[in-house]
Amino acid sequence: NAGVMQNPRHLVRRRGQEARLRCSPMKGHSHVYWYRQLPEEGLKFMVYLQKENIIDESGMPKERFSAEFPKEGPSILRIQQVVRGDSAAYFCASSPQDGYGYTFGSGTRLTVV
Amino acid sequence: AQSVAQPEDQVNVAEGNPLTVKCTYSVSGNPYLFWYVQYPNRGLQFLLKYITGDNLVKGSYGFEAEFNKSQTSFHLKKPSALVSDSALYFCAVSLLTGGGNKLTFGTGTQLKVEL
Repeated sequence: NAGVMQNPRHLVRRRGQEARLRCSPMKGHSHVYWYRQLPEEGLKFMVYLQKENIIDESGMPKERFSAEFPKEGPSILRIQQVVRGDSAAYFCASSPQDGYGYTFGSGTRLTVV
Repeated sequence: AQSVAQPEDQVNVAEGNPLTVKCTYSVSGNPYLFWYVQYPNRGLQFLLKYITGDNLVKGSYGFEAEFNKSQTSFHLKKPSALVSDSALYFCAVSLLTGGGNKLTFGTGTQLKVEL
């Protein structure tokens, strides 16, 4: 079992470009969570998805950010028109069902220049 | 709303000495409590969790934590620290609801174990 796979590990974007972050959950896991870690801060919840459904997006910025978890393929966190303040580590976690604890991926470190 | 406080940004301890990393929480209802460790440029690794049952929870790498409901605390402990324990430690709390198992994290405590 390969664990939660995130790619790319590092992503550099210029201001105004789009960033697409991918997360493949562990085999058999149907719940995906995205968190953001700003420098010198803890992780902040962004969004919780199940296959083809957004369950809780209360932590997502209202503009420019979107997430999906299609029936086939990885979960995607998409950031449009990136700004310097989007620079952070973005972590994905998956679980088999509610309450069974998470497995985190190694994260994608986004740098906006 | 749920929240977690880790009052110490950094904890220094000599190798072989016991260590404690403090965590207090605020939540309406029965909490699920977690400790994670993060090494530089890595993801979070699960250490232990409290769901229900015994207040003393044993986890990975010799760590343990004690759930204290009256003090709303969940301090992480280890009887004898190792230099390799040096890392960033996060406490987290969640309430299992229909909205899933959303975690609220503390700001982290940097543990430094020195020879």
